[in-house]
Amino acid sequence: GAVVSQHPSWVICKSGTSVKIECRSLDFQATTMFWYRQFPKQSLMLMATSNEGSKATYEQGVEKDKFLINHASLTLSTLTVTSAHPEDSSFYICSAIDNQPQHFGDGTRLSIL
Amino acid sequence: GENVEQHPSTLSVQEGDSAVIKCTYSDSASNYFPWYKQELGKRPQLIIDIRSNVGEKKDQRIAVTLNKTAKHFSLHITETQPEDSAVYFCAASATNTGNQFYFGTGTSLTVIP
Repeated sequence: GAVVSQHPSWVICKSGTSVKIECRSLDFQATTMFWYRQFPKQSLMLMATSNEGSKATYEQGVEKDKFLINHASLTLSTLTVTSAHPEDSSFYICSAIDNQPQHFGDGTRLSIL
Repeated sequence: GENVEQHPSTLSVQEGDSAVIKCTYSDSASNYFPWYKQELGKRPQLIIDIRSNVGEKKDQRIAVTLNKTAKHFSLHITETQPEDSAVYFCAASATNTGNQFYFGTGTSLTVIP
């Protein structure tokens, strides 16, 4: 149980493109979903907290206009990286929670050329 | 906000020896402390967790201790095996204020056969 599906797993696109990443809880309803960013050989940095039907709460230093989060239902949250540039290249991971612990998706490797 | 520090950043042990990873946290409101194992390019996987009302928890070769007064917690792996080699992250969370996870910087564990 407690499976979180994240798509796509790998994206390569040109600079200036907007990229959408989906995070789904497959067998439970997630009261909250979280989005993390992870650079190579570094820790997971919390970007934002997403609750269904309300605006996401962004961590300090994360541009909300750059990283658009939509949490349309209790099983789906999306992260859109708008007008992506090479510095946005990273590993993005979502997690979902109904009760502790958080359940993580497989991550999305984003490469901007 | 919460600040989690983790040491050491790298750790090499001989197969069969024990490994200890230590974390400290700053927010006294944190009451849930999970440990995750992450292999390269994969999702973090929960290996053990502890809540603030417990001082120690053990699951086969893995144990976690928590000193709430000193705000530190440790992961202990006994009888290490090569398949234990991975990056380990500690995290701290306050379940009363949003369940956000704040991760430590990670420990790269290498078990030498």
